[in-house]
Amino acid sequence: EIVLTQSPGTLSLSPGERATLSCRASQSVSSSYLAWYQQKPGQAPRLLIHGASSRATGIPDRFSGSGSGTDFTLTISRLEPEDFAVYYCQQYGRSPWTFGQGTKVEIK
Amino acid sequence: EVQLLESGGGLVQPGGSLRLSCAASGFTFSSYAMSWVRQAPGKGLEWVSAISASGGSTYYADSVKGRFTISRDNSKNTLYLQMHSLRAEDTAVYYCAKGEGSGNIVVVPTARIFDYWGQGTLVTVSS
Repeated sequence: EIVLTQSPGTLSLSPGERATLSCRASQSVSSSYLAWYQQKPGQAPRLLIHGASSRATGIPDRFSGSGSGTDFTLTISRLEPEDFAVYYCQQYGRSPWTFGQGTKVEIK
Repeated sequence: EVQLLESGGGLVQPGGSLRLSCAASGFTFSSYAMSWVRQAPGKGLEWVSAISASGGSTYYADSVKGRFTISRDNSKNTLYLQMHSLRAEDTAVYYCAKGEGSGNIVVVPTARIFDYWGQGTLVTVSS
């Protein structure tokens, strides 16, 4: 099983600042089959990024993904008030399809 | 508009059974793989099970293999999760999720991306 480790656990930032979230895999994720999701309290997750760097439909361009192999990054260029949430990475290259433990982006 | 509506959650004793349902609308249900993903209270996401578009192939996490059964009725646009021998550690919100890509979930990687989710149904296993 591929274990995904996200860091940091919590990121405290102010609106307008840049957020950089990391996702490290225990084994190489084939063909960059890596997705990112956003989850707000009491809501279901929302797909942001797939294929490591492709934005899902309707996702603002302040969200970007990068990386390959075992190291992946989600960047939010300028935090908007609605971006404060928990973010999860997911690998879908090898079953079981696993998620990271999440990074909480909170208002500083 | 894609909608996924789960039902069937509730309180069940350890060792008991429960069947979850997920009613789908707004897309051609029979063309897409579907999955169940759960989230224990205050915890992260865990993929539980997936089923191919036709229902002919199923996949399970080791934590539920042999206890849970995923199925679908494409004539009713409904996904199911039959859960037996429930344990305290199965306590979670269970989400149904649609695969982004159509086609065989093993061959089509995008079928393993979850682009729409239901609102979830809470399963509590406790005596």
